[in-house]
Amino acid sequence: DAGVTQSPTHLIKTRGQQVTLRCSPKSGHDTVSWYQQALGQGPQFIFQYYEEEERQRGNFPDRFSGHQFPNYSSELNVNALLLGDSALYLCASSSDREWRGEDGYTFGSGTRLTVV
Amino acid sequence: RKEVEQDPGPFNVPEGATVAFNCTYSNSASQSFFWYRQDCRKEPKLLMSVYSSGNEDGRFTAQLNRASQYISLLIRDSKLSDSATYLCVVMPYTGRRALTFGSGTRLQVQP
Repeated sequence: DAGVTQSPTHLIKTRGQQVTLRCSPKSGHDTVSWYQQALGQGPQFIFQYYEEEERQRGNFPDRFSGHQFPNYSSELNVNALLLGDSALYLCASSSDREWRGEDGYTFGSGTRLTVV
Repeated sequence: RKEVEQDPGPFNVPEGATVAFNCTYSNSASQSFFWYRQDCRKEPKLLMSVYSSGNEDGRFTAQLNRASQYISLLIRDSKLSDSATYLCVVMPYTGRRALTFGSGTRLQVQP
């Protein structure tokens, strides 16, 4: 049973560019959440997608946007990249229909984005 | 003030030692509480949930004090393999289930 798959694993971009990160949720999961983890910090919630809509959003600017597809996979887009966007971007999937509490989240191994 | 606050450490302890981590949270409406473990450059992984009555899983014991909005994790008989960053996590909203992470406490167990 495949877990959460994220691509690419590493990425280097230049300031001002745009980037798209991808996430395939664990089989059976319908909800995807994105987190940003800067060096030395805990992950920060960006937004959550369910039924192809953004259901909840953290304190991130509009440069961060996303999408969820009918197969539950998701993309995170960041426009006008800043040096401060350099971080590990984590995708976590869960099942809204069958929430299992503490076992509910599965994290992917992340995409490490470096902005130069 | 951060929603979830932890001592960043690092905690450097010898093998076999007992070590305790503390965490405070600001949102009294928080519903669920967890400790996650994160190894260097890896994704966070659930270590254990934290219940009001306290709970234990082998060498790990977690405690929750809702009145003080305080969470703790105790690790007994530390192993080299326990070296990692421990993240205190709360889930403030029921129905949406977004996690709020602390900055993490780094533990280094030394031989």
